[in-house]
Amino acid sequence: DAKTTQPNSMESNEEEPVHLPCNHSTISGTDYIHWYRQLPSQGPEYVIHGLTSNVNNRMASLAIAEDRKSSTLILHRATLRDAAVYYCILRGPDRGSTLGRLYFGRGTQLTVWP
Amino acid sequence: EAGVTQFPSHSVIEKGQTVTLRCDPISGHDNLYWYRRVMGKEIKFLLHFVKESKQDESGMPNNRFLAERTGGTYSTLKVQPAELEDSGVYFCASSLVGQGGTEAFFGQGTRLTVV
Repeated sequence: DAKTTQPNSMESNEEEPVHLPCNHSTISGTDYIHWYRQLPSQGPEYVIHGLTSNVNNRMASLAIAEDRKSSTLILHRATLRDAAVYYCILRGPDRGSTLGRLYFGRGTQLTVWP
Repeated sequence: EAGVTQFPSHSVIEKGQTVTLRCDPISGHDNLYWYRRVMGKEIKFLLHFVKESKQDESGMPNNRFLAERTGGTYSTLKVQPAELEDSGVYFCASSLVGQGGTEAFFGQGTRLTVV
């Protein structure tokens, strides 16, 4: 299983930026870096993904290190609704041993204070 | 567009009974995955379909679990007979077939409680 390392928990105040780090030193050349989050009592929700270049979407930004061994999910202005467990996941191609499945670790529990 | 739908949302059954969980993926998504979270543990992969074919069922706990995907559309996961340790939340996800850069869409999950 492709491994990632994330802090167990982080805290932020509402409307402040949040930087969630992830280390993935054993990433392979074909692995995409995915971020998902899970709000209480809901299924995991896709946030963003990237391969080599930084990515932006309406939810967040993903900053990928040049050597791809680490990445950072950036929430530009945290809201109370962003309180969730955030998972950094390496996803391989839909062929071969990994077959595109997701390996969830324990993730980072983000607490947002009003 | 409808998302991934799972039925039922909750199920409470007695040990030894049979339960069938259903997942309706997003239309056109050939990939369908089942995952499970047991209380206090991480979300774990169970199995993967591409259309109607099982690509990988290495995560299935034992032969009491049987998954099917009729005609490459909806999927069912049957537990027979259910044991106490089968309690947990079962998630289904679907995605397009790609190179790993495709987004997976998850259902809300089925919370199974075996008593």
